Amino acid sequence: DAGITQSPRHKVTETGTPVTLRCHQTENHRYMYWYRQDPGHGLRLIHYSYGVKDTDKGEVSDGYSVSRSKTEDFLLTLESATSSQTSVYFCATWTWGRETQYFGPGTRLLVL
Amino acid sequence: TQLLEQSPQFLSIQEGENLTVYCNSSSVFSSLQWYRQEPGEGPVLLVTVVTGGEVKKLKRLTFQFGDARKDSSLHITAAQPGDTGLYLCAGAMVRGNEKLTFGTGTRLTIIP
Repeated sequence: DAGITQSPRHKVTETGTPVTLRCHQTENHRYMYWYRQDPGHGLRLIHYSYGVKDTDKGEVSDGYSVSRSKTEDFLLTLESATSSQTSVYFCATWTWGRETQYFGPGTRLLVL
Repeated sequence: TQLLEQSPQFLSIQEGENLTVYCNSSSVFSSLQWYRQEPGEGPVLLVTVVTGGEVKKLKRLTFQFGDARKDSSLHITAAQPGDTGLYLCAGAMVRGNEKLTFGTGTRLTIIP
């Protein structure tokens, strides 16, 4: 357990508005990830971070940006939300020597 | 196109029956993991396989990594209602699990 919390847990927003999701970890893991989960697609990587201020794109990064100013926090921003970004978003962490990525409880986002 | 395809996407069987879930790719993976996800929670690691042809058992669950390290299977013997959940395979293309590619998922329902 990497002590991962996500906020908010649920959000409803309107098309065109910016949205920021927060992931917080307490275990000092170096790597942090944002995934989205949609039926039939499993988990798809949006962005990940391998250190403070070090980030890289995943396979579905268009329309999303991230920031990591502290080891424990990783923010995901939807710059202008669209209905196609309605999804469940999971944060995860990983560090060398650990077999598993650790996942947060998820944020359910609905874009109307 | 998703790198890891799982089949079937949905499976509903009676308690006590056996089942097999498949995870296939045209790419070679350094290691492959299986996760299980309960509703409202993040995925939790079940097992990691790293050697072609490797078989691992976890109580009634048997995991196999293909000889060419492109595919994997999960076999459950005498399924129980507690096995219900979403099963995800995830492959790492390089040693270390800092970047995983997740499969499309299999939603399993065991009927009492």
